[in-house]
Amino acid sequence: QLQGSGPGLVKPWETLSLTCSVSGVSIRSDYWTWMRQPPGKGLEWIGSIYFSGNTIYNPSLKSRVTISLDRSNNKFSLELTSLTAADTAIYYCARDKGVYRFTHLHYYMDVWDEGTTVTVSS
Amino acid sequence: DIQMTQSPSSLSASVGDRVTITCRASETINSYLNWYQQQAGKAPKVLIYAATSLQSGVPSRFSGSGSGTDFTLTINSLQPEDFATYYCQQTFRTPRTFGQGTRVE
Repeated sequence: QLQGSGPGLVKPWETLSLTCSVSGVSIRSDYWTWMRQPPGKGLEWIGSIYFSGNTIYNPSLKSRVTISLDRSNNKFSLELTSLTAADTAIYYCARDKGVYRFTHLHYYMDVWDEGTTVTVSS
Repeated sequence: DIQMTQSPSSLSASVGDRVTITCRASETINSYLNWYQQQAGKAPKVLIYAATSLQSGVPSRFSGSGSGTDFTLTINSLQPEDFATYYCQQTFRTPRTFGQGTRVE
């Protein structure tokens, strides 16, 4: 239902552009999120975009990240600028679904793509 | 940022065992805690959300408990497909942060 796409190899200091195509569910609800996982390491939340277009970013990456939404084509995208080797990772896109439990709104990532491997190297 | 600490970092278990993984938050997060399973070479999969709610389609041998700062994921009667890495995630405040992972081998 989610399919990520983008280049597998990017040069240092260039900009990474990834797209996540959404099928089978509407992009007109919930949050849509980008995550990454460096080789052999844990998960890092990059940021999310709400269906309204509001964005929230990880402060550690905020100066370099832009997440955008294309409602008409059911896609959302990630741009990450000024790449270094530390940005080498598997990049995942996911739906961040909101549900109410005991009157509180909780979010969890219930649909993921398979991941896009990105290597930053000259 | 809220720091999430899992223990143990890895554990050895056998099919049929009961496995318990703990996750501690650096400050209270109420019940804003999710658990994910990641099998080798695959994307993570949500098991438990809101600390105790079992995601649809996930076997009932998985359960979550806790609130505040201390949480537990329990796997009753470990199955071969359960050998994987497990992550907790807090969604109380951004940036949403994960534990470092617990590898069940």
